[in-house]
Amino acid sequence: NAGVMQNPRHLVRRRGQEARLRCSPMKGHSHVYWYRQLPEEGLKFMVYLQKENIIDESGMPKERFSAEFPKEGPSILRIQQVVRGDSAAYFCASSQNEQFFGPGTRLTVL
Amino acid sequence: AQKVTQAQTEISVVEKEDVTLDCVYETRDTTYYLFWYKQPPSGELVFLIRRNSFDEQNEISGRYSWNFQKSTSSFNFTITASQVVDSAVYFCALSERYNQGGKLIFGQGTELSVKP
Repeated sequence: NAGVMQNPRHLVRRRGQEARLRCSPMKGHSHVYWYRQLPEEGLKFMVYLQKENIIDESGMPKERFSAEFPKEGPSILRIQQVVRGDSAAYFCASSQNEQFFGPGTRLTVL
Repeated sequence: AQKVTQAQTEISVVEKEDVTLDCVYETRDTTYYLFWYKQPPSGELVFLIRRNSFDEQNEISGRYSWNFQKSTSSFNFTITASQVVDSAVYFCALSERYNQGGKLIFGQGTELSVKP
């Protein structure tokens, strides 16, 4: 009964590189959410996806950030041309009812 | 707009003390859901409880209890006889629904330190 899987757990990128964060939801869950936790802050909603559809992206930065949840495979949060301010913990949650969170990906931008 | 306030940034107690974590919320929705999550030092988020706006019964689970007061828009969390393993950051959250798109609005979190 695997929980929500996220990889990598830690990711280091230099400014200007791309970061790809992966999230595999719990078995049977078709809803995925991404949240960001900046240092010393709470979690902020970024985007909500169902299979092949972005339902709510009201929390996504307008530029450089994108998310997908293809028919097959994990959900991907992609950050292009990373900057130091992108350094944060990125959490994925999946649900049928309650949201269960993955362990997070800690992104460090050098 | 929805908002969650956890005014206590840090709390430090000695083991076996009782401790209450405060949570105040704002919403215009008549139906909403409240949650508590625990984030231990290892960093993962652990679901603790969900409460519906139309159910004001308090809940007890072992050493944990929750007090939902709609009149004061509060959803406080009490740990009785605290233990060192309770040391973590605790987040209160609000959602207009708890399934199919219910994005969570989190408070800033309260860092609880339980000393032996």
